[in-house]
Amino acid sequence: GENVEQHPSTLSVQEGDSAVIKCTYSDSASNYFPWYKQELGKRPQLIIDIRSNVGEKKDQRIAVTLNKTAKHFSLHITETQPEDSAVYFCAARKRSGGKLIFGQGTELSVKP
Amino acid sequence: DTAVSQTPKYLVTQMGNDKSIKCEQNLGHDTMYWYKQDSKKFLKIMFSYNNKELIINETVPNRFSPKSPDKAHLNLHINSLELGDSAVYFCASSHWDRRAEAFFGQGTRLTVV
Repeated sequence: GENVEQHPSTLSVQEGDSAVIKCTYSDSASNYFPWYKQELGKRPQLIIDIRSNVGEKKDQRIAVTLNKTAKHFSLHITETQPEDSAVYFCAARKRSGGKLIFGQGTELSVKP
Repeated sequence: DTAVSQTPKYLVTQMGNDKSIKCEQNLGHDTMYWYKQDSKKFLKIMFSYNNKELIINETVPNRFSPKSPDKAHLNLHINSLELGDSAVYFCASSHWDRRAEAFFGQGTRLTVV
């Protein structure tokens, strides 16, 4: 069945360090991989996404990589800041369906 | 100019009651969803509607009944509420295209006492 595994569940880093969150997906038909950030008490919001025909995408301090062969994709945040502290979710969507399957979430804490 | 709005934001009710949560989007999307976020933060899809037609119905109890009067609205009615229904419920919308971004509402925190 469709499944997205996300690790780690919690991540604590010092301000300025890098943070990496990894996800694996089970359905090889998945073609779209977004990452959402959810601050405490707020809604999930898209921060970056990657399509299956791209191996890497970068937006300022955030980058995503995708390895379709291994069914892995990762979020990299460089020069972390306290305001990066939040829960981050990866997700995957199949080419023939509309639903997003989410990973379990990673609670990132950036210590000043 | 809220893109996806849901009401109410907070809902406290007793076991056994029936309640509804409303959702509206003004993004011109053709697909809307309900997600449940439990205490462990896991986001699990419940339902998905495309052009008012139910296309995804995960293993959700029959007490939950979605209704889509038009493409811009997707409401969730819950009968005979149970303690385990306590969670944050998120409405979301997107275009049907597989690569389209999903936008979330602000969430409804349901507490059943």
